[in-house]
Amino acid sequence: DAGVIQSPRHEVTEMGQEVTLRCKPISGHNSLFWYRQTMMRGLELLIYFNNNVPIDDSGMPEDRFSAKMPNASFSTLKIQPSEPRDSAVYFCASSLARGSMNEQFFGPGTRLTVL
Amino acid sequence: AQKVTQAQTEISVVEKEDVTLDCVYETRDTTYYLFWYKQPPSGELVFLIRRNSFDEQNEISGRYSWNFQKSTSSFNFTITASQVVDSAVYFCALSDMNYGGATNKLIFGTGTLLAVQP
Repeated sequence: DAGVIQSPRHEVTEMGQEVTLRCKPISGHNSLFWYRQTMMRGLELLIYFNNNVPIDDSGMPEDRFSAKMPNASFSTLKIQPSEPRDSAVYFCASSLARGSMNEQFFGPGTRLTVL
Repeated sequence: AQKVTQAQTEISVVEKEDVTLDCVYETRDTTYYLFWYKQPPSGELVFLIRRNSFDEQNEISGRYSWNFQKSTSSFNFTITASQVVDSAVYFCALSDMNYGGATNKLIFGTGTLLAVQP
């Protein structure tokens, strides 16, 4: 079975450009999460969706960040305009809450570098 | 507020040594979940184990074992007879109980870098 798929795996862009990160969750999962990992702040949640509906976006740094989940099999995280401090690894994760089971499975991440 | 503390930033051991990674958590919830994830040098996050707050049984999986103690709010992870392939960053994480049939977010610790020397 395919795991969580993220694209691109690496992105290098210049300050001010728009960046779009993509995620395909595991088929059948009903929760999707976007995390960011940096040396300074570690792993932090940006936003998450349950059944395609955004539940908690309190981790989104500012209005430059936006996320959508138009259907159960696709989500995007957009940064516009990008800044050097946005450089990080962005992980997408998905899960299925079934009884007491709820472990999240992570994609390989997108390493973003903003010059 | 929820919080996960991994006080050990880095641990270095020699192959075949046993090593324990500490995890202490804080939560006001009576029902919650605890997790361990492994992040090898390749960068992906690999799920290792989930433990529910109402199940304090320790668990063993091969060379891995986990000791969950609610009385001390700890969920420690022991690797027996460590191997070079165990070298990675290990994260402990906490989440609230599921609600409305959906998963809740993870609160991660800062991670422990384990280096196993040959």
